[in-house]
Amino acid sequence: ILNVEQSPQSLHVQEGDSTNFTCSFPSSNFYALHWYRWETAKSPEALFVMTLNGDEKKKGRISATLNTKEGYSYLYIKGSQPEDSATYLCASPRLGRTSYGKLTFGQGTILTVHP
Amino acid sequence: GAVVSQHPSRVICKSGTSVKIECRSLDFQATTMFWYRQFPKQSLMLMATSNEGSKATYEQGVEKDKFLINHASLTLSTLTVTSAHPEDSSFYICSAAGGHTDTQYFGPGTRLTVL
Repeated sequence: ILNVEQSPQSLHVQEGDSTNFTCSFPSSNFYALHWYRWETAKSPEALFVMTLNGDEKKKGRISATLNTKEGYSYLYIKGSQPEDSATYLCASPRLGRTSYGKLTFGQGTILTVHP
Repeated sequence: GAVVSQHPSRVICKSGTSVKIECRSLDFQATTMFWYRQFPKQSLMLMATSNEGSKATYEQGVEKDKFLINHASLTLSTLTVTSAHPEDSSFYICSAAGGHTDTQYFGPGTRLTVL
């Protein structure tokens, strides 16, 4: 069983603030770490797929880092805007021939950006 | 690109009836589709993996006779909740992957309420 944990569960910030949250996962047998953004009433949107230790990926004001040795990934949002309000999910694939592609998700971090 | 639709978005039914949910990949061929369920304040939990032209594989604890999955084409998978009961009320969401399943593309989900 793969445990993927996210913290905090929810976060309220003011417009313009920078923020970050954490996804932790077992460091043994690591394969990949996915980040998704899920806005209310929409489909979860893939943000990043990270595979290499020390990897850092960026998409606009959002970036993510990966530490596979200690089993965590950070997602950063610089200068938060109200449109960044969403649930941010991380997920990691299980390993094994029968588990290929199957993702285990964390509970998500609900971000609310107040104008 | 990589758009997945899901229909219906919301359904209310009486106990004992069956409900069919459709998941379509609109602009790519999905060799594999996944069905998830989410209870309030919990993670997305994988229910089953559906490969085009073959039987779905179900996660432990998911009744295959209750949750019938059909993946008849590379763009359509359906989930039928048979003889639905109030405890089946949940949020059901599908995802689709084509070729290498590094990224899954999600539908917007279906809110099922069984009275």
